[in-house]
Amino acid sequence: SYELTQPPSVSVSPGQTARITCSGDALPKQYAYWYQQKPGQAPVLVIYKDSERPSGIPERFSGSSSGTTVTLTISGVQAEDEADYYCQSADSSGTIVFGGGTKLTVL
Amino acid sequence: QMQLVQSGPEVKKPGTSVKVSCKASGFTFTSSAMQWVRQARGQRLEWIGWIVVGSGNTNYAQKFQERVTITRDMSTSTAYMELSSLRSEDTAVYYCARGPDAFDIWGQGTMVTVSS
Repeated sequence: SYELTQPPSVSVSPGQTARITCSGDALPKQYAYWYQQKPGQAPVLVIYKDSERPSGIPERFSGSSSGTTVTLTISGVQAEDEADYYCQSADSSGTIVFGGGTKLTVL
Repeated sequence: QMQLVQSGPEVKKPGTSVKVSCKASGFTFTSSAMQWVRQARGQRLEWIGWIVVGSGNTNYAQKFQERVTITRDMSTSTAYMELSSLRSEDTAVYYCARGPDAFDIWGQGTMVTVSS
């Protein structure tokens, strides 16, 4: 079955840049989406179609794509950005898949 | 505002079924697709399936194909997810979300506990 691979954890100091990667063979052909999830809360969409930012999401959140890897970048990380981040995409049959999640720690 | 409100927590015995509801408001329900996702404690998000509200067409993850039924009631703008033959591994928070591509609106989640 199709899988999306994320690093389990990323740590950065406040004000630095955090980069979270997501790898999958179908990513060159399928869009990726990113969600932020804080403890006890439902996920929130932060990036759609690889690099588009929904209204209300701070400009410090951005997305990019290169080959089989997509990257969520958070510039000028703030304490409130500490959360789990999940990438999501689909395989060629339309089956939706989530990555394993990355815990972002703000030191 | 656009929102999805789910039904309350459930406690079920193994082998039984659970049906979770998700009521939409603030957007055109009939033009949407509704997704269902679950998350066991400390685990990743897991896609269950979706329904295209207007046509009623569904698509289920292979893992749940034989146990899940997703339906909708357009008169009440409500989507439903029913999971049968419950086992302890189905204990999780179940979410509905608006699709079909980006999951841009999420329900608050429904805790389903399967225990004898």
